Amino acid sequence: GQQLNQSPQSMFIQEGEDVSMNCTSSSIFNTWLWYKQDPGEGPVLLIALYKAGELTSNGRLTAQFGITRKDSFLNISASIPSDVGIYFCAGTNGDSNYQLIWGAGTKLIIKP
Amino acid sequence: EAQVTQNPRYLITVTGKKLTVTCSQNMNHEYMSWYRQDPGLGLRQIYYSMNVEVTDKGDVPEGYKVSRKEKRNFPLILESPSPNQTSLYFCASSLEAGGPQETQYFGPGTRLLVL
Repeated sequence: GQQLNQSPQSMFIQEGEDVSMNCTSSSIFNTWLWYKQDPGEGPVLLIALYKAGELTSNGRLTAQFGITRKDSFLNISASIPSDVGIYFCAGTNGDSNYQLIWGAGTKLIIKP
Repeated sequence: EAQVTQNPRYLITVTGKKLTVTCSQNMNHEYMSWYRQDPGLGLRQIYYSMNVEVTDKGDVPEGYKVSRKEKRNFPLILESPSPNQTSLYFCASSLEAGGPQETQYFGPGTRLLVL
């Protein structure tokens, strides 16, 4: 099945730095979701986007639904140690609203 | 406490020995789903269910079965496990049959090793 292209695969950053990651698709999406997975746990929803151009924040996190409806971005400002984990993008397209299509994840590692 | 529970959390088994991973949610959710997570591949959907007695295949259903006899439970059955089913499995649920674009709650995961 289709998978979203998520980049980068991993990021090594210093505490306090800003982080950006993105997700692209070859087809138009109706919904974009961003999840975070902590080690040893299941993913937890961070932000949900439902309209092209929508910009939504959740604390230090900001995500945008791309105007073309084929991409989405997640930014984390002033990273802290508890931001480490794997961030997944996911979404639904016109093929099915009952199945989420997932990116492969971006692993965030904070350098001590 | 609202939650999705899975059992067992860890399982080592041998090829061909039938096993069941249970999933239960206490939030009266209509939509439930099973995923497997493999390195570099993210999460891939195995099966999903929009309500009791309604199940459908996801992207990677081969080798798996599910049932939804009650709203709260959605067991995953491996009739004859093979080593390529070694993976980390997640059960998830969301409130409405509108689907997974509603907030999905994930269980803690079941790590399966098939020898």
